[in-house]
Amino acid sequence: DTGVSQDPRHKITKRGQNVTFRCDPISEHNRLYWYRQTLGQGPEFLTYFQNEAQLEKSRLLSDRFSAERPKGSFSTLEIQRTEQGDSAMYLCASSLGGQGSQPQHFGDGTRLSIL
Amino acid sequence: DQQVKQNSPSLSVQEGRISILNCDYTNSMFDYFLWYKKYPAEGPTFLISISSIKDKNEDGRFTVFLNKSAKHLSLHIVPSQPGDSAVYFCAASVSSWGKLQFGAGTQVVVTP
Repeated sequence: DTGVSQDPRHKITKRGQNVTFRCDPISEHNRLYWYRQTLGQGPEFLTYFQNEAQLEKSRLLSDRFSAERPKGSFSTLEIQRTEQGDSAMYLCASSLGGQGSQPQHFGDGTRLSIL
Repeated sequence: DQQVKQNSPSLSVQEGRISILNCDYTNSMFDYFLWYKKYPAEGPTFLISISSIKDKNEDGRFTVFLNKSAKHLSLHIVPSQPGDSAVYFCAASVSSWGKLQFGAGTQVVVTP
């Protein structure tokens, strides 16, 4: 059983650069979520897809952030003109939609460090 | 606005004893609650969940209790094992498919 896969695991970049992260959900899962986690805090919701449709975005997701899930499978999260405050762990989760309660399953995240 | 709170940042328990982790929430619309466990450099791993129509759910050594009137849930781990040493997060959502709101986590250390 392949879990949620995220790439890269760690990204170091200079302030002002653009970065893109990829998430591959569990294959049969139609829902995909992005979260951000900073030290000492729990994950914070960023955005969520059902299939290819982006259904909700947090106010945390500024104009510099964009997420896509073009074919309803993998997703990308891009941050343009990175800032020091963007340094965090970016987590992807997926779940199976349908009847009943289905938990979200997380990948191991991409740690972003802004120099 | 922190709608899910874990007021104990850390918990130390002896191996074999019971670990009790607590979580409080403020949003009465939450109807699905989960516990996750996280090791360093890994993502959160789902442990157990409960919907608001129940007050208890059990899975092996893990039991979650929900007190809707008090807006409180707890996770019991019995017996505690060294491999249980991790950060535990409480999470809640409005419906089972919605975004999760997390507490800040409780670091559990199980000592021999």
